Amino acid sequence: QKEVEQNSGPLSVPEGAIASLNCTYSDRVSQSFFWYRQYSGKSPELIMSIYSNGDKEDGRFTAQLNKASQYVSLLIRDSQPSDSATYLCAVNGVNTGFQKLVFGTGTRLLVSP
Amino acid sequence: GAVVSQHPSWVICKSGTSVKIECRSLDFQATTMFWYRQFPKQSLMLMATSNEGSKATYEQGVEKDKFLINHASLTLSTLTVTSAHPEDSSFYICSATQGPNQPQHFGDGTRLSIL
Repeated sequence: QKEVEQNSGPLSVPEGAIASLNCTYSDRVSQSFFWYRQYSGKSPELIMSIYSNGDKEDGRFTAQLNKASQYVSLLIRDSQPSDSATYLCAVNGVNTGFQKLVFGTGTRLLVSP
Repeated sequence: GAVVSQHPSWVICKSGTSVKIECRSLDFQATTMFWYRQFPKQSLMLMATSNEGSKATYEQGVEKDKFLINHASLTLSTLTVTSAHPEDSSFYICSATQGPNQPQHFGDGTRLSIL
């Protein structure tokens, strides 16, 4: 089992819809969870950080964490074509002293006009 | 806040040349910096973890004598690709963090092409 798993996609949604991106992780004692957006040919950009169970909202983005199910998700409301990118889920690994990030392979999101 | 500057953004050089890439945290002190490499359409691959004043910790399979990392201060880390060859051509990205459980903030990356 991979440490951090994401569906590679592509996930296609029409403009204005809600995009739902999912991620599962294997290390039960992970404490920190992050979503990054990476445009093609660019470096990752931090979108959201979440540390405790529940929802965290920031503008059009909502991160959801369920530690019991080892599941973290990212909802993008009112999706725009400019949201088309690869979204990386990342988890701090206890085996690395919570320093390193373990990345999923990313979900490619396509938002059509 | 949390801006990481990486230079140069693009390098083209001849085989056998050594190339230095700088990574600076502009508005925070970075206890730890990381160096990644990414080939087209592939995932980020962590090369090494660097703590200020300490030797870098390299991931398995990464040659420490080829990829020299120096973390001289809490705001600056450098990666030197020594005697670069065409197979070293890649997108190199640094990141910095303020501590455990904190997010990593990424630089814009350096695209390295070795002819």
